[in-house]
Amino acid sequence: DQQVKQNSPSLSVQEGRISILNCDYTNSMFDYFLWYKKYPAEGPTFLISISSIKDKNEDGRFTVFLNKSAKHLSLHIVPSQPGDSAVYFCAASAPRSGDKLTFGTGTRLAVRP
Amino acid sequence: DAGVIQSPRHEVTEMGQEVTLRCKPISGHNSLFWYRQTMMRGLELLIYFNNNVPIDDSGMPEDRFSAKMPNASFSTLKIQPSEPRDSAVYFCASREGRGGQPQHFGDGTRLSIL
Repeated sequence: DQQVKQNSPSLSVQEGRISILNCDYTNSMFDYFLWYKKYPAEGPTFLISISSIKDKNEDGRFTVFLNKSAKHLSLHIVPSQPGDSAVYFCAASAPRSGDKLTFGTGTRLAVRP
Repeated sequence: DAGVIQSPRHEVTEMGQEVTLRCKPISGHNSLFWYRQTMMRGLELLIYFNNNVPIDDSGMPEDRFSAKMPNASFSTLKIQPSEPRDSAVYFCASREGRGGQPQHFGDGTRLSIL
């Protein structure tokens, strides 16, 4: 039962353009969402998060959008840089689930110079 | 600041052997998480501790897996006996506070069981 889904396993974008990574979830109890970035041979690194009471959160080049009615969130990276090439994981947590995060399977982003 | 430290970074051993993975969380963090990453199942939570107490071990695959947190600065994940299907990357993460705070991951232990 995959409660957090990242349906695109990979994405290739030209440097300077926008990268849009998508994530869908099925559990309506999720109230907090995070994006992590992972380079090879390293652990995931926290990137940005959003609470379900918001529909947008921005941090520099990174913006996360949340559409609760569609159970969909997306991460926008503008402008994309070659150093952004990594695997991006979407994660979610629900109240009363303790501190547990449920992760998606990841999307590999390649930014072409 | 030192992040989450895991050891060893790589472990290759023969099936049937005992394997012990170690984790030192970030000082001051009161929650610790063990994850396993495989191609088939992605990143899955095995167990987590809050204030050194195991809270949820429902993700531990079998009795061959056990985890301890004897103090706030150290945790172990043990597999005994190990099997080839245990081959994966195991991550440890820690977090301060509750909810609303991101987990910080170590760089993982790549485990290969021959």
